[in-house]
Amino acid sequence: QQQVKQSPQSLIVQKGGISIINCAYENTAFDYFPWYQQFPGKGPALLIAIRPDVSEKKEGRFTISFNKSAKQFSLHIMDSQPGDSATYFCAASPYGQNFVFGPGTRLSVLP
Amino acid sequence: DTEVTQTPKHLVMGMTNKKSLKCEQHMGHRAMYWYKQKAKKPPELMFVYSYEKLSINESVPSRFSPECPNSSLLNLHLHALQPEDSALYLCASSQTQRGGQQETQYFGPGTRLLVL
Repeated sequence: QQQVKQSPQSLIVQKGGISIINCAYENTAFDYFPWYQQFPGKGPALLIAIRPDVSEKKEGRFTISFNKSAKQFSLHIMDSQPGDSATYFCAASPYGQNFVFGPGTRLSVLP
Repeated sequence: DTEVTQTPKHLVMGMTNKKSLKCEQHMGHRAMYWYKQKAKKPPELMFVYSYEKLSINESVPSRFSPECPNSSLLNLHLHALQPEDSALYLCASSQTQRGGQQETQYFGPGTRLLVL
């Protein structure tokens, strides 16, 4: 019940395309859902985060969509660029406790 | 400033060595974390310090010994490690961990550890 599932495992997108990564969870106590971006040899960096009281949050080219009833959330990267090529981790956190990370998605954006 | 710094960036050690990893943040965060990350895997939580007290130890072997000298510093002391302990060790911090809503964790760049 603590698990966060993430798909796809890897994703190849053409420059200018839309990248979509999906996550699903079971634990209804999760109340904070961040997405992290990690480049090789670097630490994860927070990209965008959402709480379950909103269904969508947009920051620049990055959008989180959240479906509380389905217990799913997704990251959309609009106008994907080669510089977006990285590993993306979704995560979830129950109230006052620690993150559970998804297994990650390796995104490659072709020039 | 949302920076977490870690030293060293790279570390090679033998199985009989003793070494330490250091993490520092000046954001006033009162929760600090150690994670271990293997290649192509998500970070795995090792330890959590909340208000300078160890609050979570995720069944980590005793060859890893954390220390939190003050609210800005976090150390991880290493002794008698095994080759399978080779990984990227990440430090993170957040505004609060005890009570309240989980706040964003900010990660450092990590220390790449190789145990020979």
